[in-house]
Amino acid sequence: QPVLTQPVSVSGAAGQRVTVSCTGSSSNIGANYDVHWYQQLPGAAPKLLMFGNSNRPSGVPDRFSGSKSGTSASLAITGLQPEDEADYFCQSYDSSLGGVVFGTGTTVTVL
Amino acid sequence: QMQLVQSGAEVKKTGSSVKISCKAPGFMYRYLYWVRQAPGQPLEWLGWITPFNGNTNQAQKFQGRVTVTRDTSLTTVYMELTGLRSEDTAMYYCASHADRSNYFDYWGQGTLVTVSS
Repeated sequence: QPVLTQPVSVSGAAGQRVTVSCTGSSSNIGANYDVHWYQQLPGAAPKLLMFGNSNRPSGVPDRFSGSKSGTSASLAITGLQPEDEADYFCQSYDSSLGGVVFGTGTTVTVL
Repeated sequence: QMQLVQSGAEVKKTGSSVKISCKAPGFMYRYLYWVRQAPGQPLEWLGWITPFNGNTNQAQKFQGRVTVTRDTSLTTVYMELTGLRSEDTAMYYCASHADRSNYFDYWGQGTLVTVSS
């Protein structure tokens, strides 16, 4: 059973706003553990996109934003660009499992 | 520039073992994880090591099958997975996070392991 659940796919037209959700439980996101996000372009390794729920590493455009509430977290892309077509994964820590856990992954498509 | 460089692709028979490496100079005081990505499956971690003291841990799912080690120079880490089955076919990444954090800000380029009979 996946620990962090994401929608399989999300799509939007260029310039639009899309959101990717990440749903956990009381032993991970709901236990106040931080959520981090990764972007994986086709054929590439994952790249850190957001850490500590809403912090962007240097070089990540400010059209990406993150939030967390209760047992869920969200990644928003405002002003979707063609280069944002990629897979996105959330990640947190789970106290029951005693280790990091990843989301199921979401493919973002720019129409 | 800090980077993680992994060994090349492997093709293995069912029941055999694979050992892959990750060159990690400058990562001595960080956590180095092995994370895999099987087709259609979420990312999952197998084990980690902190090179400076050799502390390791394995995910419960892989205990008894995975061993994470480092070399004497403390700049290369290895992951050995035994008892390979077809479900172990995946891209394997080494990834690193700093102490007191758990987000992975460095990733290797990945090593494809293919298991067939």
